[in-house]
Amino acid sequence: DAKTTQPPSMDCAEGRAANLPCNHSTISGNEYVYWYRQIHSQGPQYIIHGLKNNETNEMASLIITEDRKSSTLILPHATLRDTAVYYCIVRVELGFQKLVFGTGTRLLVSP
Amino acid sequence: DTAVSQTPKYLVTQMGNDKSIKCEQNLGHDTMYWYKQDSKKFLKIMFSYNNKELIINETVPNRFSPKSPDKAHLNLHINSLELGDSAVYFCASSRLGLSEQFFGPGTRLTVL
Repeated sequence: DAKTTQPPSMDCAEGRAANLPCNHSTISGNEYVYWYRQIHSQGPQYIIHGLKNNETNEMASLIITEDRKSSTLILPHATLRDTAVYYCIVRVELGFQKLVFGTGTRLLVSP
Repeated sequence: DTAVSQTPKYLVTQMGNDKSIKCEQNLGHDTMYWYKQDSKKFLKIMFSYNNKELIINETVPNRFSPKSPDKAHLNLHINSLELGDSAVYFCASSRLGLSEQFFGPGTRLTVL
């Protein structure tokens, strides 16, 4: 699985967009980009994933660059409840492969 | 409706004891996992079962023995507990091979 690089921490004001970057310069053609988050003391929660097109769901948007070497998770209107550690993971969609969690980005949303 | 549940939520025990953590999912998934999150918050997979068969074993000490009586349950039994086993253990489930995994609330194990 390709390695990912994320900033250790970010701050965001409540109501503003939170843009969380992830570098995955060694990503393979069949690897997807996944985002999970872990709110304090809870189990990780799936957010979104994509291959090369931008994706949007009720939680967030995922923007993947054309060369697929980096991506950005966007929380359009961050709330205090979005304070969490956000993990960017790349892996193939199918098969008996594990999710490898890195150190993630700790996002702090403040009033 | 709890999708992935674990019991107990907290477990405090002495070194050398044997303990079990239970996990159940009601999502109809066929693949289940155990993860360990240590005090430094690193989250690492330990085991994965698909249709009651072990498919991933991440060189975990054989004091740890997962057991899957059916597709909806994956229990973790730990023998001869050590101080280093103190961690939060998360169970998760998914459909075969897919990376959208659903996690339980975790079991905080403290070994004294």
